[in-house]
Order: sequence, then structure tokens, then C-alpha cells
Amino acid sequence: NAGVTQTPKFRVLKTGQSMTLLCAQDMNHEYMYWYRQDPGMGLRLIHYSVGEGTTAKGEVPDGYNVSRLKKQNFLLGLESAAPSQTSVYFCASSYGSQETQYFGPGTRLLVL
Amino acid sequence: AQTVTQSQPEMSVQEAETVTLSCTYDTSESDYYLFWYKQPPSRQMILVIRQEAYKQQNATENRFSVNFQKAAKSFSLKISDSQLGDAAMYFCAYKIGQGNLIFGKGTKLSVKP
Repeated sequence: NAGVTQTPKFRVLKTGQSMTLLCAQDMNHEYMYWYRQDPGMGLRLIHYSVGEGTTAKGEVPDGYNVSRLKKQNFLLGLESAAPSQTSVYFCASSYGSQETQYFGPGTRLLVL
Repeated sequence: AQTVTQSQPEMSVQEAETVTLSCTYDTSESDYYLFWYKQPPSRQMILVIRQEAYKQQNATENRFSVNFQKAAKSFSLKISDSQLGDAAMYFCAYKIGQGNLIFGKGTKLSVKP
């Protein structure tokens, strides 16, 4: 039981490049989330999903897209990376909306 | 807007002693959930403790306990018998039903041997 895993762990991008971050969970959770964490701040929600095939915007969705084609996977895409997207990205999942969220180890992204 | 405030950016405690981390939140809702997460240098976010607002009894998990004051909108975390492994960033978070998990900015806890 791996819990929540994220790929890659670290990535450097040039401005304008695109990339996809992968989140996978093996707990059969319905809900999945993408957060970003910036220095001196707590986590802020980017997008989330309440089930396979569904996605919704969070607090800071601009510049990101997501997809949930399979229940266990939640992808976060950056179509045209900007330096402001330099951050640590966390994926989380939960069984239900009121249940505890379990977090992945994070992906550190540097956009030059 | 819902907000979570952690007024102590940094705290320090001697090993084996007790420390309390403060958290206040702002909401007009009566039913919600409160959490404390720990983030060690590894960056992994680890759930420490959870409290349902409708429960009057304060949650406890081994050396970790909370002081939940609903009327004052306060949710402090007490760590007893502090250990070196407790050194980390601690985040207070708040959630209403299907709403977002709202985080505070965190408190960095140092444990002195």
C-alpha cells in the first residue's frame, strides 16, 4: 500500500515549456486534490476532483489544467510554464469530502 | 472569507517539555472540521490530529492534544514530552463540508536537546 505517490519529485522548466505532474493513489479514494505551497504560506488549492471524470476549480486555478480519466490518477498540467509557477506541488486524496486528506510527498518545480 | 491564522511564525521548546501552538479561524458556519498537519524537512504533510466542530470533547492522539474553543474560534495544539522528531512546520487547517481545506501559514517548531 503506497498511499499517494507523485511523479516527478523535482523538475526544472524553461518559461513557456509544458509539463504534466502525475498523482496516483491506491486507497480507492473518490476525492483528489492538487495544491501548491509557496514560501511563507500554507497550501492553496489549485483544482480538485470528486470522482472519475470530474474536475473543479480551487482557489488558484489559473495557468493549470487537470484530468481524472482513471479513479486512481489525477494529472496536473502546465501548458505554458511561467516563473510564478515555481512552487512545491502536493497531491492529496480522501475517501469523501469530509474525510481526512492524505498527501503525497510533493513535487518541486522550478521555472526559469 | 474563511481564514486561518497562526500568530506564531516560530516556536522553540526544550526536549521533554510541553509546547502549545496557536490557531484561530474565522467562520460563520457551525459545522466544520479542524486539522493539524505536520511537515518535517522531508516536506511530507502528515496528519497530526483532527477535530469535528460538533464534538465538545477535545481530540487527543498520544502526546498531541488540542484545546478547541468553539465560541472563541480557537484551536490550539499541545505537544507534551516534546521529542527531537517533533521539529517541523505545523499547519492548522479548516474545512466546511465539501468546501476547500484552508490552511494557515504555519508555525516552525524547533526542539532543543
